[in-house]
Amino acid sequence: DQQVKQNSPSLSVQEGRISILNCDYTNSMFDYFLWYKKYPAEGPTFLISISSIKDKNEDGRFTVFLNKSAKHLSLHIVPSQPGDSAVYFCAASSNQASSNTGKLIFGQGTTLQVKP
Amino acid sequence: DTEVTQTPKHLVMGMTNKKSLKCEQHMGHRAMYWYKQKAKKPPELMFVYSYEKLSINESVPSRFSPECPNSSLLNLHLHALQPEDSALYLCASSQESGPRFYEQYFGPGTRLTVT
Repeated sequence: DQQVKQNSPSLSVQEGRISILNCDYTNSMFDYFLWYKKYPAEGPTFLISISSIKDKNEDGRFTVFLNKSAKHLSLHIVPSQPGDSAVYFCAASSNQASSNTGKLIFGQGTTLQVKP
Repeated sequence: DTEVTQTPKHLVMGMTNKKSLKCEQHMGHRAMYWYKQKAKKPPELMFVYSYEKLSINESVPSRFSPECPNSSLLNLHLHALQPEDSALYLCASSQESGPRFYEQYFGPGTRLTVT
């Protein structure tokens, strides 16, 4: 049972345009969401996060939107740059009562290609 | 520059070998994690250490044995692995509490090949 889903395996956008990456989840207990970027043969790099008490968080060119009623989040990158080309993973976590350690559940990833 | 380092970068081992993966973090975090990632798949959690104690074992086979000697170091001891264990092994760390403890910071990984 996949609790975090990224339904688009790939996305291609032109440099300077907006990239929108989408993520859906099924577990209503998730209360924290994160986006990671991964280049080949490297570890994931933390990009941006959002708590379930918010609906938007912005950091420079990156904005994450959360729609709790739809169990949907999205990452907007504006403007997109060729260096943004990578695999993007969304991840979710819940504050389990038995442990305060945040176990992350990852989506399958979306490969973003930004064309010059 | 990454503040979570992993050694070695690449490792090739036979099914009868014993080897260890090492991870060190310089972020003052008290939670550390081992993940396994196969090609074109998301990272899968293996183990979580919190304050140097094992808090989560995701039903990982005993041929993988984690160890946390101190708050900065995390090892993964490997013995009698199978070819299907070939993968990228990722270490991560995070704060153990507070509003940002969900944010895990990953090392570059060790690419393991079992022959």
